[in-house]
Parts: sequence; C-alpha cells; structure tokens
Amino acid sequence: GNSVTQMEGPVTLSEEAFLTINCTYTATGYPSLFWYVQYPGEGLQLLLKATKADDKGSNKGFEATYRKETTSFHLEKGSVQVSDSAVYFCALSNYGQNFVFGPGTRLSVLP
Amino acid sequence: DVKVTQSSRYLVKRTGEKVFLECVQDMDHENMFWYRQDPGLGLRLIYFSYDVKMKEKGDIPEGYSVSREKKERFSLILESASTNQTSMYLCASKIGNSYNEQFFGPGTRLTVL
Repeated sequence: GNSVTQMEGPVTLSEEAFLTINCTYTATGYPSLFWYVQYPGEGLQLLLKATKADDKGSNKGFEATYRKETTSFHLEKGSVQVSDSAVYFCALSNYGQNFVFGPGTRLSVLP
Repeated sequence: DVKVTQSSRYLVKRTGEKVFLECVQDMDHENMFWYRQDPGLGLRLIYFSYDVKMKEKGDIPEGYSVSREKKERFSLILESASTNQTSMYLCASKIGNSYNEQFFGPGTRLTVL
C-alpha cells in the first residue's frame, strides 16, 4: 500500500536558518507528491507539488524535488522567517486511490 | 481559484445533540472528503464521496454519517454527539480519479460539552 513518512517534530529554528524537513514515501506506480502547510487555526493549504520524477516544486522560497531513486520529497528553504511557523504535511496522490498524508511536522521559527 | 467553504469555524454542542457540518465547493469536483484532525494523530479520513449520492467509509466512520445530495455539497452528520468527537474537522475536494491535489476548507473546530 501507499504510505508517507516524515520527520518527527517539533523543529525549532532561528530566523534566517536553513530548513530541511525529510519526507519519504512508499507507493505503487508513479504518484504525485505534495507539501501542504497549516497555519494555526486554519485548514491545509497546498504549498508545492511535483507530478513526476526529478520535478522540482517551488513556492514562497520553499523547494522540494521528487526523487524516485530514493523515494523522497524533502522540503527545503534557505532562510526561514517567523511567519513560516506552521505544521507541514507531506502527502501523495495515486490514481484512483485516496490521498495519503504524513503525520505532520511542526516548525517554530524564533526571532 | 478553487474555494471550499465550511459552514462554521467554531461550534459548541452538547452531548447527545445531532450536529451537521456543511461543506461546499465551487469547482465541480467529483470527490469530497471529511477528515478529523487531533493532536498527535494527524489527519484521519472519516468518509468520502466520489459522486452525488455515493459515499464510502474512511478509516474512522463510527459515530458519523454523511450526505451528498448535490455535487457541490457534502455534509457530515454526528447523530448523537459525544465528548470524544471534540476535534477539528476538515473538508476537502478533488478532481475525481486523478493525481491532482486536494483543496481544503478552513476547518470547523467542534467542541462537545
């Protein structure tokens, strides 16, 4: 079956630090991969996505590359801001099957 | 832009009450979903629907039912609310049978006293 594993949080960083949140997946075929972000008290918003191997998704300074050989989709940002404090979810979508979400990683950025 | 709206952001109900949570999407998506989100447990799928009047159980359907009379609207029903149903409820929609993303509503935080 399909599954998503992501690093346990919480992750606490100082402003302008480099961020990496690891995500690995197990899936049949060729799923699409996503990162969602959830700000306090809100629903999930799509942050970025990649639909095939070697695709790089990017948005708001965040990037993630679809690595089929390592079944990974790690989220990175070169310089985090306090406003990036949120919960980040890695997820996959496979044709005809339900979405699978990782457990979420809480990020806190300190000024 | 796809918009998914939920009827309430915050709701307080009493044990035993019947509770309706409404979700509406405006992009003609076939698939709609209800999740609950609890600290340490992530998102758990309650029910989903891939067409009008169709419904499928997710991972934790006990104590819930759903209704989808129109394509744009998907309702979650708590027949007799209990305190262990206090949670954040998230609705989502998606183009059917695709690799596309899900679009989420803002969530309803339900408290059952």
